[in-house]
Amino acid sequence: EIVMTQSPATLSVSPGEGATLSCRASQTVNSNLVWYQQKPGQAPRLLIYDVSTRATGIPARFSGSGSGTEFTLTISSLQSEDFAFYYCQQYNSWPLTFGGGTKVEIK
Amino acid sequence: EVQLLESGGALVQPGGSLRLSCAASRFTFTNYAMTWVRQAPGKGLEWVSSISDGDNTYYADSVKGRFTISRDNSKNTLYLLMNSLRAEDTGLYYCAKRSGSSSGHFDSWGQGTLVTVSS
Repeated sequence: EIVMTQSPATLSVSPGEGATLSCRASQTVNSNLVWYQQKPGQAPRLLIYDVSTRATGIPARFSGSGSGTEFTLTISSLQSEDFAFYYCQQYNSWPLTFGGGTKVEIK
Repeated sequence: EVQLLESGGALVQPGGSLRLSCAASRFTFTNYAMTWVRQAPGKGLEWVSSISDGDNTYYADSVKGRFTISRDNSKNTLYLLMNSLRAEDTGLYYCAKRSGSSSGHFDSWGQGTLVTVSS
């Protein structure tokens, strides 16, 4: 099983500042890495897939990068609606696995 | 826009059974793999099971032998039959559409149905 590790668990950021979230895989997932955003009481929403492709309607302030086992989600200038939980997930091999999540909170 | 509507969640005793349903619309259901993902209260996301367009099935070790995923393409509906339920199966169960016929990320999610396993 590929273990996905996200850091930090919580990130405190002021509105307008940037944020960098990390996701590490225990073995290579090639480019089969996705990021989801989840707000309290809501279903997850697709943000970025295949490491760096933004989903439809996702603002350009969200970007993804990385390869192999190390991945990053960058939010260039946090808006109020961006404070949420973020999860990475690999879909390279079974079982599909998620990271434990990063909570981005208002500083 | 893709619509996924889960139902069937309930309070059930340990050892009991439950069948979840996910009614899909606004896309060609037969062409896509489908998935169940769950979230325990206050916890992260956990993949449960997936089914391809060709009925190949996959399960997390934690549910293998107890849960069965299936689909009825004539009804555009995904199912999850859950037997021998345990307290640790408690959570919100999401239905999600995969981006491809047998693989890919989850590009659309339902709102979830709540399963509570307790005596």
